[in-house]
Amino acid sequence: EPEVTQTPSHQVTQMGQEVILRCVPISNHLYFYWYRQILGQKVEFLVSFYNNEISEKSEIFDDQFSVERPDGSNFTLKIRSTKLEDSAMYFCASSETSGRGSPLHFGNGTRLTVT
Amino acid sequence: AQSVTQLGSHVSVSEGALVLLRCNYSSSVPPYLFWYVQYPNQGLQLLLKYTTGATLVKGINGFEAEFKKSETSFHLTKPSAHMSDAAEYFCAVSDRYSGSTLGRLYFGRGTQLTVWP
Repeated sequence: EPEVTQTPSHQVTQMGQEVILRCVPISNHLYFYWYRQILGQKVEFLVSFYNNEISEKSEIFDDQFSVERPDGSNFTLKIRSTKLEDSAMYFCASSETSGRGSPLHFGNGTRLTVT
Repeated sequence: AQSVTQLGSHVSVSEGALVLLRCNYSSSVPPYLFWYVQYPNQGLQLLLKYTTGATLVKGINGFEAEFKKSETSFHLTKPSAHMSDAAEYFCAVSDRYSGSTLGRLYFGRGTQLTVWP
């Protein structure tokens, strides 16, 4: 079964550094998302992306965050200047259609630790 | 915004016992409803979903869930627990109305299921 692939599985960075989290969505999917889960808290929506532009972003997704689909397969989340509170598990997801009942397929996540 | 409540952050059952994981949502318009499971060091895997039609939906691994509009609930059940069911289970909803973000899921806090031999 096709999978969403995320790399790296674990990233450690120092506060103030830039990080790029990478994702390869399922190949025929057109809608892409980033979610995050801070330890002990709910999984939260960050951003949705379609047709090479952001569809919607949450209040969490401020100017330090950006997303990009640099080629036909990768989907990246960049955090420009990491803060301690950015430490979390970041999940990439994709869906085939735009229907609201369409299930999202999630990757295994990247655990980001900011020291 | 939607609110999803999962009652009980930890549930423990014996192998072979009934599994019941509770989920309630807040909106007056019934949303789309999902259950996801997360095994250790893995991503979120879809167990089942309710969009329309029959209110009792069956998913993978013998799980099922029933949508009850009057109770704003979507509880997850499995008649007989297996050791391999030990994982974290997340209830999630997405809005039905046209103004909402496509693919935006609102998650509960998750319920960690432990299965004792």
